[in-house]
Amino acid sequence: DAGVTQSPTHLIKTRGQQVTLRCSPKSGHDTVSWYQQALGQGPQFIFQYYEEEERQRGNFPDRFSGHQFPNYSSELNVNALLLGDSALYLCASSLWGAGYEQYFGPGTRLTVT
Amino acid sequence: AQSVTQLGSHVSVSEGALVLLRCNYSSSVPPYLFWYVQYPNQGLQLLLKYTSAATLVKGINGFEAEFKKSETSFHLTKPSAHMSDAAEYFCAVRNTGNQFYFGTGTSLTVIP
Repeated sequence: DAGVTQSPTHLIKTRGQQVTLRCSPKSGHDTVSWYQQALGQGPQFIFQYYEEEERQRGNFPDRFSGHQFPNYSSELNVNALLLGDSALYLCASSLWGAGYEQYFGPGTRLTVT
Repeated sequence: AQSVTQLGSHVSVSEGALVLLRCNYSSSVPPYLFWYVQYPNQGLQLLLKYTSAATLVKGINGFEAEFKKSETSFHLTKPSAHMSDAAEYFCAVRNTGNQFYFGTGTSLTVIP
């Protein structure tokens, strides 16, 4: 049983470019959340998708957008990249409902130069 | 609003000594609380969770945590530290809307 997978592992982009990160949830999970983890910090919630809709959003600008597909996989898109967007981007999957823990993928390390 | 505070960004213990990592939460409703561990260049791995059942929660790798409502705490402990326990530890609280709030983390160093 594969856990949460993310691609790519590492990515280097130039300021102003756009990037797409991908996530496949753990088998049986229907909810995907995205987090940004800056160096030396805890993960910060970006948004969450369930039933192909954005259900919750953290304090991130509209440059951050996402999508969930019918097979529950998800994409995170970031437009007009800034140097401050450099971080580890974590995807977590879970079951929608009370009490369920999130399972995290290994993350995508994004470097903006 | 939910939040967690982790006291001590760095903790050092000797191998074989007690590990105590502190977490205090703020929640307007009965919380769901979690501890995660992160090894270098990896994602987060769930250690244990509290979901309003038993107040003493046992997790993987010999870790446990006790939910104390009167102290709004959920401290993580392990009786005897092992070198492999060296990592970053995060406490998190989950709100009713499925959103997780993480603390800033505690880096655990184990001294041989």
